Amino acid sequence: SAVISQKPSRDICQRGTSLTIQCQVDSQVTMMFWYRQQPGQSLTLIATANQGSEATYESGFVIDKFPISRPNLTFSTLTVSNMSPEDSSIYLCSVRGWRGSDEKLFFGSGTQLSVL
Amino acid sequence: QQPVQSPQAVILREGEDAVINCSSSKALYSVHWYRQKHGEAPVFLMILLKGGEQKGHDKISASFNEKKQQSSLYLTASQLSYSGTYFCGTEMNFGNEKLTFGTGTRLTIIP
Repeated sequence: SAVISQKPSRDICQRGTSLTIQCQVDSQVTMMFWYRQQPGQSLTLIATANQGSEATYESGFVIDKFPISRPNLTFSTLTVSNMSPEDSSIYLCSVRGWRGSDEKLFFGSGTQLSVL
Repeated sequence: QQPVQSPQAVILREGEDAVINCSSSKALYSVHWYRQKHGEAPVFLMILLKGGEQKGHDKISASFNEKKQQSSLYLTASQLSYSGTYFCGTEMNFGNEKLTFGTGTRLTIIP
């Protein structure tokens, strides 16, 4: 199993500013995944963060807007840059791991972001 | 392509049964099911692998028909604690690791 500490849990930010979200995992993992969940919507993958290489972004997400760092196998950050109200969402980091015989996604507790 | 779930929302009385479907336009290696309660992160329910698998624990079970690229989640004798939004997460290839989540199904259980 994996335990993920994500912070901040929530923040209210002004338009045009940036916020950095941190995720710390209690074990070493190769890939960390960053998801966005807009109000009332499903989870959308932003990017996959690999240690030692650049993150892989999904269609519709770019590095300038969502820069990611992955300095080691237990830590990653996601920055939401030059924020607008449309960035108001829950941001979740996750990793793959095992629970018994099942491989699953473990999630951080999420960051509720509101942009004014 | 995002998997499509049906129904979008359902309201049940305690003790009734529900079926939630997840349909993909692409071939799948595995299907995960998660439940999310308001204000919380999604919680893993089960994973089904390619091969026409069926699984279940307690009163929640699921099936995976790889030929139809569909999975169904079965909730029997529903309890109040089953309320939440259910998401399927699909994986295209072994080792791909990233999941694409479905559109979601909001389940409300009333006493």
